[in-house]
Amino acid sequence: ETGVTQTPRHLVMGMTNKKSLKCEQHLGHNAMYWYKQSAKKPLELMFVYNFKEQTENNSVPSRFSPECPNSSHLFLHLHTLQPEDSALYLCASSQEGHRAYEQYFGPGTRLTVT
Amino acid sequence: KNQVEQSPQSLIILEGKNCTLQCNYTVSPFSNLRWYKQDTGRGPVSLTIMTFSENTKSNGRYTATLDADTKQSSLHITASQLSDSASYICVVKDSNSGYALNFGKGTSLLVTP
Repeated sequence: ETGVTQTPRHLVMGMTNKKSLKCEQHLGHNAMYWYKQSAKKPLELMFVYNFKEQTENNSVPSRFSPECPNSSHLFLHLHTLQPEDSALYLCASSQEGHRAYEQYFGPGTRLTVT
Repeated sequence: KNQVEQSPQSLIILEGKNCTLQCNYTVSPFSNLRWYKQDTGRGPVSLTIMTFSENTKSNGRYTATLDADTKQSSLHITASQLSDSASYICVVKDSNSGYALNFGKGTSLLVTP
């Protein structure tokens, strides 16, 4: 285990539903990330939080809403998603200044939008 | 156009054989290059990370090389095992991009008995 946990591991939701993904890191890191991984495509960075402050938002649609209540927890709130949003959503964490920001990934949430 | 290209896209080898995966990049200015292993249904796990001054780094049966002049890296797997079956992702960080990383699409490796 990498020290980063994600729940749920699998989620199926309709386009009108609202759901949330949760990530928790037990490594004492100060930065957390959300990535989207679609088949045959490179990982796409969605959001970055450093010391609970959002530092990057890579033009992600507003139907994805991140929340970082403290440096150990990260949420991704989902609403009115589209089928093309089906993907593996990965959370990662890193420690600023440590090994060139080496990132530790969670196991991911496999999301299917019907 | 993706700044990190990996080849081959997929590879099948027999257990016990060696193999080499390739990564070419155009990312500049270069900061570091990482290789990750991603098992099916799991998140990526770091194998090696190399900076500009390092041209070889090993992690057990995995050996990564870096040629910063030609902007190429390789990952060599020795005496492959069934558990090596996974996707191997090359990731390059540039010096100016803050937290962002440049990911390749990965090479899917299948080791068969």
